Formats: sequence, C-alpha cells, structure tokens
Amino acid sequence: AQTVTQSQPEMSVQEAETVTLSCTYDTSESDYYLFWYKQPPSRQMILVIRQEAYKQQNATENRFSVNFQKAAKSFSLKISDSQLGDAAMYFCAYSPSGAGSYQLTFGKGTKLSVIP
Amino acid sequence: DAGVIQSPRHEVTEMGQEVTLRCKPISGHDYLFWYRQTMMRGLELLIYFNNNVPIDDSGMPEDRFSAKMPNASFSTLKIQPSEPRDSAVYFCASSFWDNYGYTFGSGTRLTVV
Repeated sequence: AQTVTQSQPEMSVQEAETVTLSCTYDTSESDYYLFWYKQPPSRQMILVIRQEAYKQQNATENRFSVNFQKAAKSFSLKISDSQLGDAAMYFCAYSPSGAGSYQLTFGKGTKLSVIP
Repeated sequence: DAGVIQSPRHEVTEMGQEVTLRCKPISGHDYLFWYRQTMMRGLELLIYFNNNVPIDDSGMPEDRFSAKMPNASFSTLKIQPSEPRDSAVYFCASSFWDNYGYTFGSGTRLTVV
C-alpha cells in the first residue's frame, strides 16, 4: 500500500519570506499523481498544485512551486512571498494513475503559521 | 457551478441514532468520494463511486456505515447506529475522469454524544 509521510507537524514563516514543506511517499508504481491541498480554518480542502510523475518539470502555480525528486520519492512544496492567508494545514497526497484508480492517500499534514 | 455541496454542516446526535450525511457533486463529474477526517487517523477514504456505481468500499469501517448514489447528482452516507467514535469531519469530493484533482465539499462535522 502507498504511504505518504509529512515529517513536519508544524512550521512557521515570516510574512513575505519563503518556506518549504516536506513530503515523502512510498510506491512501487512508475506513474502516479501527487498533490498538495490546503485546509484553512474554514475546513475547506483546496487544491494548491498537482504533479504528474512522468513529467520531469516541476509544477508551478503563482507563488507555489514544487520540487519533485522521483528517485528519492520526495515532493516538497515551496511557498514564496508568504502571506497571512497562507496560514493553514497543508496536506500532501498521492494517487495512482491507472484508469479508475483515483483514490487519494493523504499525509498527516503540516500546520503552517505565518507571522506578521 | 456552486461546487460540491454537503449538508448538514454540523450534526450533533445521540449514540444509537441514525445519521444521514448528504452530498451533491459538481455536475458532470464522474467520480464521487467520501472521506473521514480525525485528529488521530487523518484523512481516510471510506468509499468511492464511478458513474454512480460503488467501486471500492474497503475503507468503510463497519457494517454500521452505508453509502448510496441513486443518481449522478446525489449521494448519502448513513451511519446506523451511531457511536461516539464516529465523531469526525466527513468530506465528500468529486472529480472528472482525468484525475486533475478533487473538488471537496465543506464537510460535515459529526458529533455523537
């Protein structure tokens, strides 16, 4: 079974600074998808960024980017120019790529605090 | 589109009572998922549907839990009888076939006393 590990239960960052959240995963598959989700205090789960394993180029969405190291099974999220609204729980997630195999396996999350 | 709509947002019930959680997925999405979130276990997949058909219910904890999707625009998760250990946030999510990521509902916080 696939597992997703987020080794940092909590992190903090100064406003306008950059922070990197870590995620490692375990799989025997060669093709799969990886995601980062944000859960603010409102409880809503919001998709931040998505990476397809067969793509070597790291995904980027505005201030959010990933460092995908397939051999190391590592998928970190970098948040640049941190804003107060970035304060939330962040979950890393893995999904197989086979047709009909879209269930997500989540890590336990990292709570990010942004200091004004 | 209004997104994935879940109801109720909060539910408090007494042990032994039946609880029904409801979900309306985004129109056109092929997949619907039910997840449970607790502090101890994190986010766990309970069951998911493809085109209204249950595909994998191996995450349903006990026979007390059941889920249905009678049509493409509605799903229910029922717990009967409810127990205090069922207290959690229950999320519904839906997705297209292309696995571009789920859209989650805002969740139902269930408290069983």
